[in-house]
Amino acid sequence: DSGVTQTPKHLITATGQRVTLRCSPRSGDLSVYWYQQSLDQGLQFLIHYYNGEERAKGNILERFSAQQFPDLHSELNLSSLELGDSALYFCASSPREAGTQYFGPGTRLLVL
Amino acid sequence: EDQVTQSPEALRLQEGESSSLNCSYTVSGLRGLFWYRQDPGKGPEFLFTLYSAGEEKEKERLKATLTKKESFLHITAPKPEDSATYLCAVGVYGGATNKLIFGTGTLLAVQP
Repeated sequence: DSGVTQTPKHLITATGQRVTLRCSPRSGDLSVYWYQQSLDQGLQFLIHYYNGEERAKGNILERFSAQQFPDLHSELNLSSLELGDSALYFCASSPREAGTQYFGPGTRLLVL
Repeated sequence: EDQVTQSPEALRLQEGESSSLNCSYTVSGLRGLFWYRQDPGKGPEFLFTLYSAGEEKEKERLKATLTKKESFLHITAPKPEDSATYLCAVGVYGGATNKLIFGTGTLLAVQP
């Protein structure tokens, strides 16, 4: 157990819908990262927050957004969902802006 | 372009048969080489962080080494419970870039 928690574990929804994924970092970690893992793409970096501020963006779609709250938990919002958004979404945390990242168990999203 | 390549894509070993996994990289601003283990449907589990060429780290039957262009994960006398996908990642930090770039992994199967 890495200490990073993610909810929900599974999510099934329809195209065009909007969902919110939640992540709680390890106690004391200030950085939260979001990654997408699909069968054909591997693990892809989406976005990084440090102590409430956005620090870096990867190839995150405009339909996706995220935020980190004062208690340091983070939410990833996915809207206008498409079939191709079906994937595992992982959150990771680290104590500072760089260094070892510890991953949560993931949320499996299925868009029908 | 920053890139991480892992080989082989898949490896089947007999219990007790030692081998090595390779991770080669071409990145600018490398700050850390990370190894993770991932079981099906679960989040990546942190194994090692290496920062400098010549650095080595060990944990049970696993040993990670780093050169200027590649890293090796040596598995000594593997057991069936070592079966998993092993992921290599490089840390790229600086400016608006702050992320891990992952390879596509090596799927290891250890047969009793």
